[in-house]
Amino acid sequence: DAGVTQSPTHLIKTRGQQVTLRCSPKSGHDTVSWYQQALGQGPQFIFQYYEEEERQRGNFPDRFSGHQFPNYSSELNVNALLLGDSALYLCASSSAGTPPNEKLFFGSGTQLSVL
Amino acid sequence: GENVEQHPSTLSVQEGDSAVIKCTYSDSASNYFPWYKQELGKGPQLIIDIRSNVGEKKDQRIAVTLNKTAKHFSLHITETQPEDSAVYFCAASRADGDSGYSTLTFGKGTMLLVSP
Repeated sequence: DAGVTQSPTHLIKTRGQQVTLRCSPKSGHDTVSWYQQALGQGPQFIFQYYEEEERQRGNFPDRFSGHQFPNYSSELNVNALLLGDSALYLCASSSAGTPPNEKLFFGSGTQLSVL
Repeated sequence: GENVEQHPSTLSVQEGDSAVIKCTYSDSASNYFPWYKQELGKGPQLIIDIRSNVGEKKDQRIAVTLNKTAKHFSLHITETQPEDSAVYFCAASRADGDSGYSTLTFGKGTMLLVSP
């Protein structure tokens, strides 16, 4: 079982650019959540996708958008990057058979640096 | 919204000692409390969780206790080993009244260092 896989592992961008991060959920999982983890902080919920639709959203601006594909994989897009967007972006998957946000399996994340 | 406070921010113990990490939450409607362990360069890994209808849960060397009245919950690790060294996060979740969907709020983490 491959678990949750994320790509790329590291990314360097400049202010104003756009970035796309990718996630493949654990086998058998159909719900994908994205979190932002700033250095020394706990993960913060960005949004959650289920059945190719955004089901829940945290307190993040519209610059953050996402997509889920029929194979349950997901993308996180961030437009007009700011220095403050530098963080570890984590993808977590779960099964629709469990309540949302319970029994989450996290990937190792994408470290985004905005210069 | 929910606010989760976690203490201490760092904890150093000797191998074999016990370690306790404490969290408080603000939303009395929260009903699910997981603990995650994050090793360097990895994503958080669920190690134990508890629901609000249970006061205590144990899994080998790890236990979690919940006090709903005081709105705090704690992680207890006994017989600590060097491989327990990591950052531990508590979190709280509640179901959204309108949609039924829950949101998960994390604490800021505790760095546990177990010395041989």
